[in-house]
Amino acid sequence: KAGVTQTPRYLIKTRGQQVTLSCSPISGHRSVSWYQQTPGQGLQFLFEYFSETQRNKGNFPGRFSGRQFSNSRSEMNVSTLELGDSALYLCASSARTSGRLYEQYFGPGTRLTVT
Amino acid sequence: ELKVEQNPLFLSMQEGKNYTIYCNYSTTSDRLYWYRQDPGKSLESLFVLLSNGAVKQEGRLMASLDTKARLSTLHITAAVHDLSATYFCAPVLGQGGSEKLVFGKGTKLTVNP
Repeated sequence: KAGVTQTPRYLIKTRGQQVTLSCSPISGHRSVSWYQQTPGQGLQFLFEYFSETQRNKGNFPGRFSGRQFSNSRSEMNVSTLELGDSALYLCASSARTSGRLYEQYFGPGTRLTVT
Repeated sequence: ELKVEQNPLFLSMQEGKNYTIYCNYSTTSDRLYWYRQDPGKSLESLFVLLSNGAVKQEGRLMASLDTKARLSTLHITAAVHDLSATYFCAPVLGQGGSEKLVFGKGTKLTVNP
């Protein structure tokens, strides 16, 4: 079974630009969660999508948004990039049901650098 | 507020020694996951603890869960250099459709020869 894939793996952007990251979950998984990892703040939950609906949301500004497609692939978008958005962005897929979250499997991550 | 605290955050130990990493969380949870992360890499699942009293072992690592005490431990036996990594605990917090993993800050383990 193929694992979670994320594209691109590395990205360099300038302040004020926007960026879109993509995540393809494990086949059959309908839940995709996004996390931001920085040395200072650690692993922080951004949001989760399940069956094309945002299920949970972390404490991030509205510049961070996401969506999920009917094939469960998910994208997250960050608009008006700031230097502090430089981070490793991880997505995780889960065989979640509507009432229970199961084990999350993480992708390799996208390393975003904002200059 | 949901809080997950890991102790210690940094651990330097010699090969062959034993040590325990602690994970405390602030609200009720009946499931907890441990992950490992190597530098520059993603997270790899180590243990899934699904009930009170659960104990799982893999090689030199053993994890346990006490849901009443809101505590999980990751015990390292006779450490070897290959165990050097950052270890995260993540209880499942919330209920039903609002369940999510909440990660601790991680314990960076360095095993010295």
